[in-house]
Amino acid sequence: DAGVIQSPRHEVTEMGQEVTLRCKPISGHDYLFWYRQTMMRGLELLIYFNNNVPIDDSGMPEDRFSAKMPNASFSTLKIQPSEPRDSAVYFCASSPRGYNEQFFGPGTRLTVL
Amino acid sequence: QQQVKQSPQSLIVQKGGISIINCAYENTAFDYFPWYQQFPGKGPALLIAIRPDVSEKKEGRFTISFNKSAKQFSLHIMDSQPGDSATYFCAARFRSRNASGGSYIPTFGRGTSLIVHP
Repeated sequence: DAGVIQSPRHEVTEMGQEVTLRCKPISGHDYLFWYRQTMMRGLELLIYFNNNVPIDDSGMPEDRFSAKMPNASFSTLKIQPSEPRDSAVYFCASSPRGYNEQFFGPGTRLTVL
Repeated sequence: QQQVKQSPQSLIVQKGGISIINCAYENTAFDYFPWYQQFPGKGPALLIAIRPDVSEKKEGRFTISFNKSAKQFSLHIMDSQPGDSATYFCAARFRSRNASGGSYIPTFGRGTSLIVHP
């Protein structure tokens, strides 16, 4: 099993640009989570999906952030426009139905200049 | 608020020593308490987990102690090794109801950076 796949692994962009992060969950997993990790705030849950439906997006910091899951094998997190304070490592995780463990991807390190 | 408070923020231990990381929570609706281990440049990975009906769970050198009345749980790493050097996160989950019938919301502690000196 390939595990959770995220792309790109590193992203450097300039303030004001649109950034799209991608995630492919583990096949058969019904839950998908997006997290942001910073030194100051630790690991923050941004949004999660169940069967492709967004369940809780209360962690999304503001309207510049949006997430979609058009099918069971793909999700995106978009930031438009990006700001330097968005610099962080963004993780995607998936979880199988009825189980408790979350499987994390390797993360995308985002730097906004 | 669903919060989990973790301490210490950083921990340095000599090889062979015992590493202890503590977490406390307020929400009695939490029903699952996992610990995750994260190495630099990697995503967190599940290390060990416990449910509140059990007071202790051991897997190899890793043990979770759970005190339901005090709403506290801790991770003990026995015979700590340099390879254990990583960031450790405690977490808690509770189940909530929504229009879909139910969902669960995980909450993570701030993390503890463990360094084990050879």
